[in-house]
This record gives sequence, structure tokens and C-alpha cells, in this order.
Amino acid sequence: DTGVSQDPRHKITKRGQNVTFRCDPISEHNRLYWYRQTLGQGPEFLTYFQNEAQLEKSRLLSDRFSAERPKGSFSTLEIQRTEQGDSAMYLCASSLGGGRLGTDTQYFGPGTRLTVL
Amino acid sequence: AQKITQTQPGMFVQEKEAVTLDCTYDTSDPSYGLFWYKQPSSGEMIFLIYQGSYDQQNATEGRYSLNFQKARKSANLVISASQLGDSAMYFCAMREDSTGANSKLTFGKGITLSVRP
Repeated sequence: DTGVSQDPRHKITKRGQNVTFRCDPISEHNRLYWYRQTLGQGPEFLTYFQNEAQLEKSRLLSDRFSAERPKGSFSTLEIQRTEQGDSAMYLCASSLGGGRLGTDTQYFGPGTRLTVL
Repeated sequence: AQKITQTQPGMFVQEKEAVTLDCTYDTSDPSYGLFWYKQPSSGEMIFLIYQGSYDQQNATEGRYSLNFQKARKSANLVISASQLGDSAMYFCAMREDSTGANSKLTFGKGITLSVRP
């Protein structure tokens, strides 16, 4: 049973460029989440999928951000026209979903660290 | 108002001793879940323990236990017999369960724990 994987682990880009991150959840998990974590802070929720449906987007997710989860498997997070303020760790998590929420523990991937120069 | 408060800036503990990491929360939702995650320097968030608001007993998972005081809205993590590998950031998080399908986590700012040999 492999855990959540994310690619790439590190990304350095110039301001104004577009970047795309990928997340592969635990195989039987139908819920997938994206969070952003800046230095010295806890993760902040960005968006959430149940299967292929994107059910909620945070106000943190500006129009430059878009996330997809085609076929309810892996997910991508794209940031267009990156800004220096986008520099952060982007964390993906997945959970089994269904049944009692109490058992719906989120398991996190290793994260993608983005640096915008 | 902050939903999760972790005010201890940094904690030190001697190896093999017990340590308590504080967490207070704020919610009007009668149904919620409380989680603790560990984040080593590598960056991955590791799930430690879960406590449901309706659970009658405090949660325990190996060396981790949760001191849940519902009336005080506190959910402190107790680590017994500290090990050098316990040195990391520790995050308390809450999920409010009555908000429908969304099961996002709200995190505190975290506490740094350093275990001394």
C-alpha cells in the first residue's frame, strides 16, 4: 500500500511563469485535498475533490489557480502567472471518504516546495 | 477568531520523559474531530491521533494520547517516553462535521518539539 505521492518535490520558477503540480492519492481513497503551507504556519485549505467533483474552493484560491481531478484518480494543481507570494509548500492529502466522518483521516503526501524568483 | 490555538513557541524535553503539547479550539459545531499531525524537517505531515467530539474516552495510539477536555475546548497531545526521533513540528487540526460534505482541516500554527539526549 503506497502512500500519497507528489511530483515534483521542488520547483523553482521565475515570476510570471506557469507551474503544474501532480498528486497521486492512496489508490482506494475517493477524497483529495490541496493545502498550502507558508513558513512558520500551519497548512491552509485550498480545495477539495470527492471523486472527480471539485466540491469546495477556498477564497485563497485566486483565478490564477486551477485544480483538476480527471476520472477521480490523480489531481493536478496549476498556478498561472506565478507571483513571489505563491512561494510555499503545496501539500496534497487523501482520505477514504464515505461512512462516518470520524474515520475519514487525511493522509498527506511529501509536498511540493515552490520558489518563485 | 482563531479556530485552533497553539501558543507554545517551542518545547524541550529530555529523552525518555513525557511531554504535553497544548491545543485549544473554538467551534460552535456540536460535531467535530480533532487531529494531531507531526511534521519532521523533511516536510511530510504524519497523522498521529484522532479524537471525535462525541467520543467518551480519550484517544490513545501507542506512545501518543490525547487529553480531551471538551468543556475547556482543549485537546492536548501527550507523548510518553520521548525519543530523539520525536523532534519535529506538531500541528493540531480540527474538522467541523456539520458543514455538509466538506471535510477540510483547519490547522494551528504548530509547536516545535526538541528532544534532548
